[in-house]
Amino acid sequence: NAGVMQNPRHLVRRRGQEARLRCSPVKGHSHVYWYRQLPEEGLKFMVYLQKENIIDESGMPKERFSAEFPKEGPSILRIQQVVRGDSAAYFCASPGSLLGTEAFFGQGTRLTVV
Amino acid sequence: RKEVEQDPGPFNVPEGATVAFNCTYSNSASQSFFWYRQDCRKEPKLLMSVYSSGNEDGRFTAQLNRASQYISLLIRDSKLSDSATYLCVALNTGNQFYFGTGTSLTVIP
Repeated sequence: NAGVMQNPRHLVRRRGQEARLRCSPVKGHSHVYWYRQLPEEGLKFMVYLQKENIIDESGMPKERFSAEFPKEGPSILRIQQVVRGDSAAYFCASPGSLLGTEAFFGQGTRLTVV
Repeated sequence: RKEVEQDPGPFNVPEGATVAFNCTYSNSASQSFFWYRQDCRKEPKLLMSVYSSGNEDGRFTAQLNRASQYISLLIRDSKLSDSATYLCVALNTGNQFYFGTGTSLTVIP
């Protein structure tokens, strides 16, 4: 995973609770991408962030979902009032090379809503 | 129209076979292209970058055709361990990575 750290690896939440997913990019890089992968589906872009700035959030659901990447600390993807349909794998990616072209992924957070 | 489109498959091929995947992209300004591999719902891993001149890495050959806006991946002498989902990726001018939905490959003994 070339240094992209995500935690937790697995997260179980009851309907209505909040889920917080964390991601730290490759050391020295300040951009992260969040993707969601629903069961039996492909990766879907959610949001692209730079430290203290949201660059593109066109893939974020309009309600309950938010993301931030503060100056200090990891990027956080926050899902409020989770529903069963939020159960998915959430992957974070970061550029890993000096040119920032290739994207490297963290191991993902598997969210299960019960 | 999706940014990147792939045939989802599945492709079921015998060991030793040659298999080719194609992918099309809609944004002619896309800058860079990649093939990723994803195993069993694990994180996608970079397989190879794709260059206009074509590039080869062992049994894997990638080609980019900018005029037709398609990317291909050829796998020769398929191994059981090649069974996975192969994702086509385009990087656009806004540094946004667009993933295809993936093509499933199963190599059969």
